[in-house]
Amino acid sequence: KAGVTQTPRYLIKTRGQQVTLSCSPISGHRSVSWYQQTPGQGLQFLFEYFSETQRNKGNFPGRFSGRQFSNSRSEMNVSTLELGDSALYLCASSLAELAVNEQFFGPGTRLTVL
Amino acid sequence: AQKVTQAQTEISVVEKEDVTLDCVYETRDTTYYLFWYKQPPSGELVFLIRRNSFDEQNEISGRYSWNFQKSTSSFNFTITASQVVDSAVYFCALRRNYGQNFVFGPGTRLSVLP
Repeated sequence: KAGVTQTPRYLIKTRGQQVTLSCSPISGHRSVSWYQQTPGQGLQFLFEYFSETQRNKGNFPGRFSGRQFSNSRSEMNVSTLELGDSALYLCASSLAELAVNEQFFGPGTRLTVL
Repeated sequence: AQKVTQAQTEISVVEKEDVTLDCVYETRDTTYYLFWYKQPPSGELVFLIRRNSFDEQNEISGRYSWNFQKSTSSFNFTITASQVVDSAVYFCALRRNYGQNFVFGPGTRLSVLP
């Protein structure tokens, strides 16, 4: 069974640009959640999607958005990139909504904003 | 407000020693979930355990054990007979009731020396 995949693995952008990251969950998993990891702020929750609906969102500005498709694949978008958006972005999938089942994480997308 | 504290920033032990990672949480909720995750040098987060606030029974899984004490708001993690492969950053996390946000602790970096 294939694990959670995230594309791209590495990305370099400049300030002001926008970026879209993709996450494909494990087959059959309907819940996808996103996290940001930085040396300064640590691990922070971004969003959770279940059956194409955003169920919860962390304390991030509106520049951070996401969506989930009918096949459970999810994308997150960051507009007007800032230097502070440089981070490892992790995606996790689970069978049901977040608090119920075990989560499986992808390898992450490392975003560098110059 | 919710908060997770992992007071131990870094721990070093010699292989085969037992080690306990501390986690103290703050929440006003009566229903919540506690988690432990492992992040090895490869960077991919690994889910270890989820515990709900109504289940104070301690759990053992192989060399891993968890001690949940609501009276002291602690959810400590013990590795028995540590191995080099246990070297990683370990995160404790708290989630409010179903559908709510996630809060992570700052992590504890465990180094197991041969």
